[in-house]
Amino acid sequence: NAGVMQNPRHLVRRRGQEARLRCSPMKGHSHVYWYRQLPEEGLKFMVYLQKENIIDESGMPKERFSAEFPKEGPSILRIQQVVRGDSAAYFCASSLGVGEQFFGPGTRLTVL
Amino acid sequence: QQQVKQSPQSLIVQKGGISIINCAYENTAFDYFPWYQQFPGKGPALLIAIRPDVSEKKEGRFTISFNKSAKQFSLHIMDSQPGDSATYFCAASINRGNEKLTFGTGTRLTIIP
Repeated sequence: NAGVMQNPRHLVRRRGQEARLRCSPMKGHSHVYWYRQLPEEGLKFMVYLQKENIIDESGMPKERFSAEFPKEGPSILRIQQVVRGDSAAYFCASSLGVGEQFFGPGTRLTVL
Repeated sequence: QQQVKQSPQSLIVQKGGISIINCAYENTAFDYFPWYQQFPGKGPALLIAIRPDVSEKKEGRFTISFNKSAKQFSLHIMDSQPGDSATYFCAASINRGNEKLTFGTGTRLTIIP
């Protein structure tokens, strides 16, 4: 029974490029959450999605960031025109909708 | 009002000792309080969680103490072992966890022989 899967595990982009981060939730989970962790800091909520719907995007920057969770396939966090300040670890979590959120191993984004 | 404050930032405990990490919150709507353990390069993993209708929950060497009136909760690790060395995050959520988690800033715990 695979856990939450994220890919790529490491991603290097130059300033101005696009970054696409993928998250496959645990089998049977239809709730996905994205969090960002800056070095030596706690995790900050970005967005909460259910299949085909954005439930809460209050933590998402208004520009350059978008997220989706299509009916088929993984959830995608997309960052356009990346800047150095976007360098962080991005974690995806999934749940059944109540209780525990299970976290993936994260994608570490480095912007050169 | 959405903040969760965590202390200490780092903690060194001798093997066999008790590790204590504290958190405080403001939002009285929070009704789910999990603790996560994170090793370097890994994602957070749920350690133990509590709801505000109980004052204490114990699972093995890990205990959460919850003080609703003071809006504080703490993690106690009994008989601390070198394998417990990790970063620990408290968190809080509303709607029984069916919402975003608000995390504390983390405590880096080191267990020394």
